[in-house]
Amino acid sequence: EADIYQTPRYLVIGTGKKITLECSQTMGHDKMYWYQQDPGMELHLIHYSYGVNSTEKGDLSSESTVSRIRTEHFPLTLESARPSHTSQYLCASSESATGGSLYGYTFGSGTRLTVV
Amino acid sequence: AQSVTQPDIHITVSEGASLELRCNYSYGATPYLFWYVQSPGQGLQLLLKYFSGDTLVQGIKGFEAEFKRSQSSFNLRKPSVHWSDAAEYFCAVGARAGGTSYGKLTFGQGTILTVHP
Repeated sequence: EADIYQTPRYLVIGTGKKITLECSQTMGHDKMYWYQQDPGMELHLIHYSYGVNSTEKGDLSSESTVSRIRTEHFPLTLESARPSHTSQYLCASSESATGGSLYGYTFGSGTRLTVV
Repeated sequence: AQSVTQPDIHITVSEGASLELRCNYSYGATPYLFWYVQSPGQGLQLLLKYFSGDTLVQGIKGFEAEFKRSQSSFNLRKPSVHWSDAAEYFCAVGARAGGTSYGKLTFGQGTILTVHP
């Protein structure tokens, strides 16, 4: 069963609102990731963290921000939502092992965001 | 930079038929390779992975994939498809140690599988 939880599952919000998408994992994984997924498109990495107080931007530019104050928690925030932010956001985590084990990603169920 | 191409956006097969989903990657050396499956409204589940060794890897749900270095491919196969296999399938590549991409997965755009009864 999934040990990584995302809330809310679905969110419809008006333009200009501030939103925070929650992601928590109970596996003690050091590494966490946020991917953005549009229908028919590949997943794009927008943020990642390799540990507490460590965050980096991913390959796809995003207006969102993240924080990592606790190992288990990796929230994503949009200060002012716009229709262009409508998408599915997937959170993932992986263990700290080196080599191939690093890629034992566990994904959450995602948050489908609609900005109207 | 690493990249993944899944040439087939949508594939339809009959239940009981064999399946092959194509995946081609671009990477300067031998990468780590993965197949994930995503059911509607869900996150991604790992089907199988290739790190090294035997180029034919077995995964869950009866899936297998073969790494072919000469063709830069990692195609997913199943000998007999079940209706419950209908989902979207993603191929992904990860860089080996060293470099700025280490630890990050790059995904293909996915292949939607429809299964007819």
